[in-house]
Amino acid sequence: AQKITQTQPGMFVQEKEAVTLDCTYDTSDPSYGLFWYKQPSSGEMIFLIYQGSYDQQNATEGRYSLNFQKARKSANLVISASQLGDSAMYFCASLWGDSGYSTLTFGKGTMLLVSP
Amino acid sequence: SQTIHQWPATLVQPVGSPLSLECTVEGTSNPNLYWYRQAAGRGLQLLFYSVGIGQISSEVPQNLSASRPQDRQFILSSKKLLLSDSGFYLCAWTGQGYEQYFGPGTRLTVT
Repeated sequence: AQKITQTQPGMFVQEKEAVTLDCTYDTSDPSYGLFWYKQPSSGEMIFLIYQGSYDQQNATEGRYSLNFQKARKSANLVISASQLGDSAMYFCASLWGDSGYSTLTFGKGTMLLVSP
Repeated sequence: SQTIHQWPATLVQPVGSPLSLECTVEGTSNPNLYWYRQAAGRGLQLLFYSVGIGQISSEVPQNLSASRPQDRQFILSSKKLLLSDSGFYLCAWTGQGYEQYFGPGTRLTVT
């Protein structure tokens, strides 16, 4: 079964440092998309970044970058220069081609706390 | 620009009472729409998705149902709530791309 795994229940980082949040996935489907979402305490899910399985380059969006290692089936999120406002829950998610790209599968999330 | 609304924001209902949560999307047409539930401290579970008016796919069998009476309106309902229905309900949409954009959510407590 296709699956997303986030092994870090919680991460701590000091302000202005970089942090990597881990995500691995399990699929035999060659076509898939990988996403990261941020969920602050307000509850809203905020889309951060997307990586397609056929994309040659790692996705970047401002301070967010996705370290995509296809052979290892990992899609780690790197946040550079952490800010206090980055404290939130972070979810890795995927779309699988054989489901018609219709439904997102989420990992269990990683709580990130940024300290001054 | 596109916006997605959900109401109510918070709801406390007794066991056995009915439920109706509403989600509307503005600024787009023919979106795919989704209902998710998030139990406390856990990830998101897809409940229903819809690719068009009257077209509903259910991912998890339960006492909830969904309807899409209009292109940009998605409703989550129940005839009789259970304690286990408590959670945070999120509506989402997609347009041309693959990214799903979420609404602000409804926090439901069943007592």
